[in-house]
Amino acid sequence: EDQVTQSPEALRLQEGESSSLNCSYTVSGLRGLFWYRQDPGKGPEFLFTLYSAGEEKEKERLKATLTKKESFLHITAPKPEDSATYLCAVQALDNYGQNFVFGPGTRLSVLP
Amino acid sequence: ETGVTQTPRHLVMGMTNKKSLKCEQHLGHNAMYWYKQSAKKPLELMFVYNFKEQTENNSVPSRFSPECPNSSHLFLHLHTLQPEDSALYLCASSQEDRRYGYTFGSGTRLTVV
Repeated sequence: EDQVTQSPEALRLQEGESSSLNCSYTVSGLRGLFWYRQDPGKGPEFLFTLYSAGEEKEKERLKATLTKKESFLHITAPKPEDSATYLCAVQALDNYGQNFVFGPGTRLSVLP
Repeated sequence: ETGVTQTPRHLVMGMTNKKSLKCEQHLGHNAMYWYKQSAKKPLELMFVYNFKEQTENNSVPSRFSPECPNSSHLFLHLHTLQPEDSALYLCASSQEDRRYGYTFGSGTRLTVV
């Protein structure tokens, strides 16, 4: 069974304090790993897709990396507006046309 | 209007009421989804529609009834709900192969009293 776990469950950072969020997955074969950002009361917003181990994607202060077992979302010099819940999801190779398995998310708070 | 639009944003209903949630996408996607999001739990897939045909019902109780009249519109009809059904209900759409992920709506916050 495909599974996704995320750690930590919650993270509080001071503005400018860099850190990383973890997404660990078990899947028969990875078609893609997706990162989303979700603000309170809103739907998740797409950030990145990673397809193979060693791949990296960057957007502003965020950088996502992928290995065969996990993905990291690195946040460099975060700002209060980066506060949100970050969700990870995987799509398995043998489930073409099927759907994503989401992790429970990491709730990030960046204090000014 | 672009993106995925859900209405209403908030809904309070009694256990004997009947209500419907609406979702509309203007992205040209051909797959649409209903997800349930409860506090501190991962997103739970409820229903999947590909080209208007339901392709997945993830063991959802019959008090939830989806309808997809065309590839741009999706409804979730609610009847005789329970308090534990209170949650954020999210609609999403995607291209058929999902390789670019989902585009989500803002959700409907449902409270069953």
